Amino acid sequence: SAVISQKPSRDICQRGTSLTIQCQVDSQVTMMFWYRQQPGQSLTLIATANQGSEATYESGFVIDKFPISRPNLTFSTLTVSNMSPEDSSIYLCSVIPRQGVANTEAFFGQGTRLTVV
Amino acid sequence: DAKTTQPTSMDCAEGRAANLPCNHSTISGNEYVYWYRQIHSQGPQYIIHGLKNNETNEMASLIITEDRKSSTLILPHATLRDTAVYYCIVRVPGRGAQKLVFGQGTRLTINP
Repeated sequence: SAVISQKPSRDICQRGTSLTIQCQVDSQVTMMFWYRQQPGQSLTLIATANQGSEATYESGFVIDKFPISRPNLTFSTLTVSNMSPEDSSIYLCSVIPRQGVANTEAFFGQGTRLTVV
Repeated sequence: DAKTTQPTSMDCAEGRAANLPCNHSTISGNEYVYWYRQIHSQGPQYIIHGLKNNETNEMASLIITEDRKSSTLILPHATLRDTAVYYCIVRVPGRGAQKLVFGQGTRLTINP
């Protein structure tokens, strides 16, 4: 298993500002992902955070808006840039711990609840 | 990419078995079926997964039909703490990473 710590757990931000969310894992993990969950909706994958290279973004998400860092195998950050009220969501970090195992489960952090005013 | 279809909501009495169905008629031969749940204000929690055989763990049982086009998650003795949104997911291989694609899930309410 993997224990994931996300910071901050919640924040209220002014529009036009940026927020960086941190995801720390208690062990080295192969894959790290960032999801967004808008109010009342399911989870949508933003990007895969790749260690040592640029993140892989899903359709509808771009690096300028959601820059991601992954400096090592236990840590990643997601920045929500130039925020607007539409960015108000829960942002979740997810990891797949085991390398080389095709169908292992994913673990999720508790999320960061962001409100943009 | 295989997609899943689940009922929007279900109710179940406390102590009874909760049976949550999922259709995945376009699943391919090497794709697994995963179940996660999300209790209010928490991150999703892994429950169980399987390929074609029925699976059981301490949380639940997973029954997959022989043609693999549908499955059922069974919570044998539901408690109030099992109230959550349950997601049935078919694992999607993509760009070397097997990401999870979430549908809308089933909102399960356990009633006392």
